[in-house]
Amino acid sequence: DTGVSQDPRHKITKRGQNVTFRCDPISEHNRLYWYRQTLGQGPEFLTYFQNEAQLEKSRLLSDRFSAERPKGSFSTLEIQRTEQGDSAMYLCASSLWRGMGADTQYFGPGTRLTVL
Amino acid sequence: KQEVTQIPAALSVPEGENLVLNCSFTDSAIYNLQWFRQDPGKGLTSLLLIQSSQREQTSGRLNASLDKSSGRSTLYIAASQPGDSATYLCAVGTSNTGKLIFGQGTTLQVKP
Repeated sequence: DTGVSQDPRHKITKRGQNVTFRCDPISEHNRLYWYRQTLGQGPEFLTYFQNEAQLEKSRLLSDRFSAERPKGSFSTLEIQRTEQGDSAMYLCASSLWRGMGADTQYFGPGTRLTVL
Repeated sequence: KQEVTQIPAALSVPEGENLVLNCSFTDSAIYNLQWFRQDPGKGLTSLLLIQSSQREQTSGRLNASLDKSSGRSTLYIAASQPGDSATYLCAVGTSNTGKLIFGQGTTLQVKP
């Protein structure tokens, strides 16, 4: 079990630049989630995929943010024209949804973004 | 709108003590509730998941309870150890989408 992996672990960028993060879920998991966490706060939901379909997006996900999961496996989160307020830890989680009951989400180590 | 609150924000206890962490939520119509642990600068580790039809779950020294009617959950840690030092997060699932709404966490320090 390799767990959920995220790349890069840290990213420092200048305001206005574009950044892209990658998440590789646990291989058999069909659901993939993105959350954002700022210092001292709990994670906030951004979006989630079931297989390759993006089924829900938070209002936190402005037009500058886009997420994809093209083949239902890994996912990318892109932030265009970064702002200092985008500085946060971006967490990815995956789960196996079987159509009923609750599915435990397994989190990756996160990507820490710093916008200068 | 569902809101999740965790009190206290920080807790320091001597090793060996039993302790309770509290989580409250405003809307009792939840799908499930999960407790996570987060070490500094790291991702989250799932500890326990309680489905809405359940009252409690146990794993080793951990026991989580759920009272939907009062909008509360507790995480009981028995015989605390320094290795239990971390931030504990409570998260409510509001539907079968799996979307979680998190509290702000309780940072626990267990002193040797």
